[in-house]
Amino acid sequence: DVKVTQSSRYLVKRTGEKVFLECVQDMDHENMFWYRQDPGLGLRLIYFSYDVKMKEKGDIPEGYSVSREKKERFSLILESASTNQTSMYLCASSLSAGPGLADFGPGTRLTVL
Amino acid sequence: LAKTTQPISMDSYEGQEVNITCSHNNIATNDYITWYQQFPSQGPRFIIQGYKTKVTNEVASLFIPADRKSSTLSLPRVSLSDTAVYYCLVGSYSSASKIIFGSGTRLSIRP
Repeated sequence: DVKVTQSSRYLVKRTGEKVFLECVQDMDHENMFWYRQDPGLGLRLIYFSYDVKMKEKGDIPEGYSVSREKKERFSLILESASTNQTSMYLCASSLSAGPGLADFGPGTRLTVL
Repeated sequence: LAKTTQPISMDSYEGQEVNITCSHNNIATNDYITWYQQFPSQGPRFIIQGYKTKVTNEVASLFIPADRKSSTLSLPRVSLSDTAVYYCLVGSYSSASKIIFGSGTRLSIRP
């Protein structure tokens, strides 16, 4: 089974802090994704990456950046955290030839005070 | 990307068969239909995928009519543990493909 791990299950940060959320997958998947999930809004795509050093914006990239230096690792960066970025963050990975066949990590619940 | 429309919520009882329908009028020729299940505080989990007609696995069945403009996820004999949010997605086998989720259907199963 594909295993997608995220660095933290729960994280509390203060407004203005720089926040790093790390995601690692162990099945050599080309594609990796970052979503955020808020009550009533479903999963919204922030960024995705289809190869090392390649990235594309999702639906809500504002306030976020990403880094993919190695195939297995995809990082989400909040340059200056704000309270409206309090959310559940979910990482996923998939094969390039997989229409929606993504495996998700357990999620990181981030609270920005 | 084809947009999907699902009911916001559904209720049923243990032991019943539940059918959740998804509308995807703009589905493209190369698009597949995929369903996910999500429990609270967990990431979504793949349930089933299909292209046309009917697909069945140990968890569910997926019915897709000939025009492919809709699909129906069928959960046989549901239990309380099937209470979850169910998402319908459409997408094709191509590189650099986004995976976009809709709002999903919140299924509540009662004893």
